[in-house]
Amino acid sequence: ETGVTQSPTHLIKTRGQQVTLRCSSQSGHNTVSWYQQALGQGPQFIFQYYREEENGRGNFPPRFSGLQFPNYSSELNVNALELDDSALYLCASSRTEYNEQFFGPGTRLTVL
Amino acid sequence: GQQVMQIPQYQHVQEGEDFTTYCNSSTTLSNIQWYKQRPGGHPVFLIQLVKSGEVKKQKRLTFQFGEAKKNSSLHITATQTTDVGTYFCAGLRLGSGNTGKLIFGQGTTLQVKP
Repeated sequence: ETGVTQSPTHLIKTRGQQVTLRCSSQSGHNTVSWYQQALGQGPQFIFQYYREEENGRGNFPPRFSGLQFPNYSSELNVNALELDDSALYLCASSRTEYNEQFFGPGTRLTVL
Repeated sequence: GQQVMQIPQYQHVQEGEDFTTYCNSSTTLSNIQWYKQRPGGHPVFLIQLVKSGEVKKQKRLTFQFGEAKKNSSLHITATQTTDVGTYFCAGLRLGSGNTGKLIFGQGTTLQVKP
């Protein structure tokens, strides 16, 4: 198992609500990336944080935002939830921006 | 847009048979990484390839990175039931300011019949 933890493990929200997902990176890792994985699909890159700054973003709207804290843990915030936001949200930490990703167990988000 | 295509989507093999999954990118990649995800689990890193034409082996697994750094393959020799899962390639494309995106393929799901 990796040292990456995520909370909560499961979440049910309704359309229009806002959600915050949390991730603690593995010790010694300064980079956190967030991915959205729909059922039967590969993870889709949302964005990456390196030393508390956003360091790359995928094709996701601005209502997907994030933060990285001085201890390198991170949050993913999603505003105005839509039904299509239902997915597994994976956080991955790495030693540098582009090395192997150590994934957490994910947060399963269901939007009703 | 930037895409990484992976084929086949599914593969069912008899235990002991070989298995190969292929990954193709529309653009040149800085590196390619391979991950395995078991049902209900999260992706687990297998390997990273960086150099053009690179070949790496891990026991029964052989990974290749194409000469043009646009394609890659994973070959498993003599599959075992423990190989069951979905195999993803993920290509890194660097952009301006040295930021990059790790783009995952759709994955190949391997089923192994004992």
